[in-house]
Amino acid sequence: QVQLQQSGPGLVKPSQTLSLTCAISGDSVSSNSAAWNWIRQSPSRGLEWLGRTYYRSKWYNDYAVSVKSRITINPDTSKNQFSLQLNSVTPEDTAVYYCARDPGGSYLRFAFDIWGQGTMVTVSS
Amino acid sequence: QSALTQPASVSGSPGQSITISCTGTSSDVGGYNYVSWYQQHPGKAPKLMIYEVSNRPSGVPDRFSGSKSGNTASLTISGLQAEDEADYYCSSYTSSSTQVFGGGTKLTVL
Repeated sequence: QVQLQQSGPGLVKPSQTLSLTCAISGDSVSSNSAAWNWIRQSPSRGLEWLGRTYYRSKWYNDYAVSVKSRITINPDTSKNQFSLQLNSVTPEDTAVYYCARDPGGSYLRFAFDIWGQGTMVTVSS
Repeated sequence: QSALTQPASVSGSPGQSITISCTGTSSDVGGYNYVSWYQQHPGKAPKLMIYEVSNRPSGVPDRFSGSKSGNTASLTISGLQAEDEADYYCSSYTSSSTQVFGGGTKLTVL
């Protein structure tokens, strides 16, 4: 049974970096079929896909245009997890952040079948 | 990338059928068969209900079905049950290799 366990601070100061981690059990971040995503949800922006990382003989990343200049998603194969870093945050980045798996297969499904528990991150001084 | 357009709310009585629409463009919904639908109860993470327009993951009741015509995808729930009351979101792959969600639809079971 695949599970995703999120960790990271719930409060970040404006202009600082938001950092979250998603630990994977029951699958591998280095899977040649799955992709690993970050998604956030706020009342003002609804559900917003942020980006993904996946391995197909080498590592690939795709990022949403809205955050492309500020976001990094990194795999950590030694701990079987992946992380989100969002730089220069503002109060508009306040949201519930989720990690999620695209189960893939012979190709990505572009759907999210397993979700983390969610982390409420507030950007405030 | 603009969010996909969904009605803010729909309602139906137990046993009835309802349909939720999700309208995009030829760069997302209309261009790819990668539309998915999610159910979200308050305080919970979204749950995948439909992927690739019309496929149901294991464990999702066959009361849930999906379809697409042109730039509009639809989720139909037949035989409405009280536990179907939730928020529903669509999502699509886009021509920019990104993904976009709809604004969400609140389903009320009367």
